[in-house]
Amino acid sequence: DAGITQSPRHKVTETGTPVTLRCHQTENHRYMYWYRQDPGHGLRLIHYSYGVKDTDKGEVSDGYSVSRSKTEDFLLTLESATSSQTSVYFCAIRGASDTEAFFGQGTRLTVV
Amino acid sequence: DQQVKQNSPSLSVQEGRISILNCDYTNSMFDYFLWYKKYPAEGPTFLISISSIKDKNEDGRFTVFLNKSAKHLSLHIVPSQPGDSAVYFCAARGWGSQGNLIFGKGTKLSVKP
Repeated sequence: DAGITQSPRHKVTETGTPVTLRCHQTENHRYMYWYRQDPGHGLRLIHYSYGVKDTDKGEVSDGYSVSRSKTEDFLLTLESATSSQTSVYFCAIRGASDTEAFFGQGTRLTVV
Repeated sequence: DQQVKQNSPSLSVQEGRISILNCDYTNSMFDYFLWYKKYPAEGPTFLISISSIKDKNEDGRFTVFLNKSAKHLSLHIVPSQPGDSAVYFCAARGWGSQGNLIFGKGTKLSVKP
């Protein structure tokens, strides 16, 4: 168990509403990531953070924003949810070896 | 353009036999390659990795082989067990992008009893 908690685990929301997903880690690791998983696309990086208030865009960042005000929390916000953002979202942290990433259990988001 | 490719969406193997999952990459600057296993409704779990300076890494039933000249790696599972049935993702760590992992699309392995 890598000490990563994602909340909520499931959410259904309406198109156009804002949504925030939370990732909490107990490992005090510097790097945190948000990925989305979709059929036929594998895992794609949305945003990542390399420290408090230090974030950068990934491969599929359009329509998403992130914030990291504390080492342990990394928030992903959909400012105005669209149906194309229906997906399973995974948070990850980079391990102590600085190589592998460890993933949370995921959040299944449905935008109707 | 995909930098990490898993060209087989699925693979079916008999229990006890060898499973071979393949992965190709295009960027010669990747310095680490990793394999993850994912069960339904769970997060991916790290399985095994290999540095770009090695050509083989073994951990129990799992062995990863790296062929740098062909930009190809493979994961061998011997012997395969029904509990190995999952989606396997190949990933590569980039040099210049803060060391972020780039994933392939995954291969669904089914091990039949």
